[in-house]
Amino acid sequence: AQSVAQPEDQVNVAEGNPLTVKCTYSVSGNPYLFWYVQYPNRGLQFLLKYITGDNLVKGSYGFEAEFNKSQTSFHLKKPSALVSDSALYFCAVRDSLRYSSASKIIFGSGTRLSIRP
Amino acid sequence: EAGVTQFPSHSVIEKGQTVTLRCDPISGHDNLYWYRRVMGKEIKFLLHFVKESKQDESGMPNNRFLAERTGGTYSTLKVQPAELEDSGVYFCASSQELKSTEAFFGQGTRLTVV
Repeated sequence: AQSVAQPEDQVNVAEGNPLTVKCTYSVSGNPYLFWYVQYPNRGLQFLLKYITGDNLVKGSYGFEAEFNKSQTSFHLKKPSALVSDSALYFCAVRDSLRYSSASKIIFGSGTRLSIRP
Repeated sequence: EAGVTQFPSHSVIEKGQTVTLRCDPISGHDNLYWYRRVMGKEIKFLLHFVKESKQDESGMPNNRFLAERTGGTYSTLKVQPAELEDSGVYFCASSQELKSTEAFFGQGTRLTVV
């Protein structure tokens, strides 16, 4: 069965410092991995995805994520945090083996990122 | 291009009443998904449509929930009768056919059952 774990409920970082939001996953086949962000009173916004190829993927707002197959991880990173990055971040996975078309995406429990000035 | 739209944005109903949520996916997206987030917990999968067919309804909590997608366009999710534990934010998402594509989410409907 597919699953996603985000071990940290909250991450606190000072503005200008690097940030990391952790994510590990479990799927039966090759994973398709996603990060989404939810700002207050808004829907989920897509940030970036890993499908295949280079393990380091770049996305919106200066975020990037590193796929590590041996550790089954897909941590979200940003070299220099901004106060405006404060939001709720969700890691998600889709199993590539299941069905022939776009099957469901499974989400983690979310990590609240708080950037202090 | 219009995104995924959901209606209403908020709904407050009494226990035992019926509520119908609506989702309009992005035009041309055959895949439509319903998710729910309860009390700040994880976003849980409810149901997946491919066009008008239910591809996966393994996440539907019980038979008080009924989802439809007549004609393969918009979808409705009806809760009848509503219970207190049904309160939460209901998200709809849509995506194109390919497995590698991301899903695009609506703003969500916040349902409160009192």
